[in-house]
Amino acid sequence: RKEVEQDPGPFNVPEGATVAFNCTYSNSASQSFFWYRQDCRKEPKLLMSVYSSGNEDGRFTAQLNRASQYISLLIRDSKLSDSATYLCVVNWGSSASKIIFGSGTRLSIRP
Amino acid sequence: NAGVTQTPKFRVLKTGQSMTLLCAQDMNHEYMYWYRQDPGMGLRLIHYSVGEGTTAKGEVPDGYNVSRLKKQNFLLGLESAAPSQTSVYFCASSGYRVDQETQYFGPGTRLLVL
Repeated sequence: RKEVEQDPGPFNVPEGATVAFNCTYSNSASQSFFWYRQDCRKEPKLLMSVYSSGNEDGRFTAQLNRASQYISLLIRDSKLSDSATYLCVVNWGSSASKIIFGSGTRLSIRP
Repeated sequence: NAGVTQTPKFRVLKTGQSMTLLCAQDMNHEYMYWYRQDPGMGLRLIHYSVGEGTTAKGEVPDGYNVSRLKKQNFLLGLESAAPSQTSVYFCASSGYRVDQETQYFGPGTRLLVL
């Protein structure tokens, strides 16, 4: 089993729709979690951190479920500009070698 | 404030050739990283550095060497390029609280090894 797994997609949804995708992780000692966004042929950029209590940033909501070992990202009222690949990142220690990137979920928003 | 920059942006090598990728950051970050990104594989850590003069191996270090002679620069070397090293290479930097801090990425270097 991969340490961090994501559904590669693509998720193809109409503009204005709500879309959600998950990321599962295998190490129960994982401590910190992030979502990064990567546009086509560009570098990854931090979208948001994922806190134990969940957090919201505008149309984006991130949740952590430690019992089932997954994090989720919900995008409401999706925009064309949300089309990108979303990478989840899991960290289970204070060492840089303990940071694991998922392979990403591709999201495509259609007009 | 340029953030993280990488040179070159694109390079074609023949098998057996060598090259050095340069990464520079102007955020005074302690940590610097080199990743490679391949289709369906996600970002994989090649080497990283926790400060000037230090380097450590990541998940896929074979065939690569690195140096951090100055805090702001992190060099990735390929001594004898192989087709399996065809990839997109990203450099990143972050503060010392690596488990909490954002990684800032450079724009990437696309390498093709023939």
